[in-house]
Amino acid sequence: DGGITQSPKYLFRKEGQNVTLSCEQNLNHDAMYWYRQDPGQGLRLIYYSQIVNDFQKGDIAEGYSVSREKKESFPLTVTSAQKNPTAFYLCASSISGAPREQFFGPGTRLTVL
Amino acid sequence: DAKTTQPPSMDCAEGRAANLPCNHSTISGNEYVYWYRQIHSQGPQYIIHGLKNNETNEMASLIITEDRKSSTLILPHATLRDTAVYYCIVRANNAGNMLTFGGGTRLMVKP
Repeated sequence: DGGITQSPKYLFRKEGQNVTLSCEQNLNHDAMYWYRQDPGQGLRLIYYSQIVNDFQKGDIAEGYSVSREKKESFPLTVTSAQKNPTAFYLCASSISGAPREQFFGPGTRLTVL
Repeated sequence: DAKTTQPPSMDCAEGRAANLPCNHSTISGNEYVYWYRQIHSQGPQYIIHGLKNNETNEMASLIITEDRKSSTLILPHATLRDTAVYYCIVRANNAGNMLTFGGGTRLMVKP
């Protein structure tokens, strides 16, 4: 089955620790994205990548880092510099070029204790 | 990208049509209207998109006014599983693939 996987579904970390969220897709999509969602709110773009080895900051990139070494993978690291890391994190991918719908993973709910 | 305005919540009876409005009065000529929905604690799901013509697929219909300043997403026979937050997004075709999600409309389908 083609799709996007995010793991784990729930993640707990202590304050001050870096944590990396996984996102993998087998849809052969060039573009990948990371969003953050807080309770009762819409999605906000953290980082996006249109092609391997290239990525750009979204609206709320501070305290986060990403890498795009492979087309299939776009991991997100939540660093200790992120002041309010507890949130629901969503990864998405799409074909490059516009307009194209985005396909979303199931999300990772991160709780920092 | 143009800003969109949606009602925060709506109710619909099961089996009836759900009509979800979206205002995008500042939309420009190269901007598309996209609809996504998000069922609780899941990733958003693409529903439909259009430029100026009405569109229909297996999930829904999208009606865009002639002046393109507003649109309506229609779920023809709403079921309980359609209970979700519905997002209307306007995006230019030269804006890469970034989507800006606002608050959306929380649709509650009731038996």
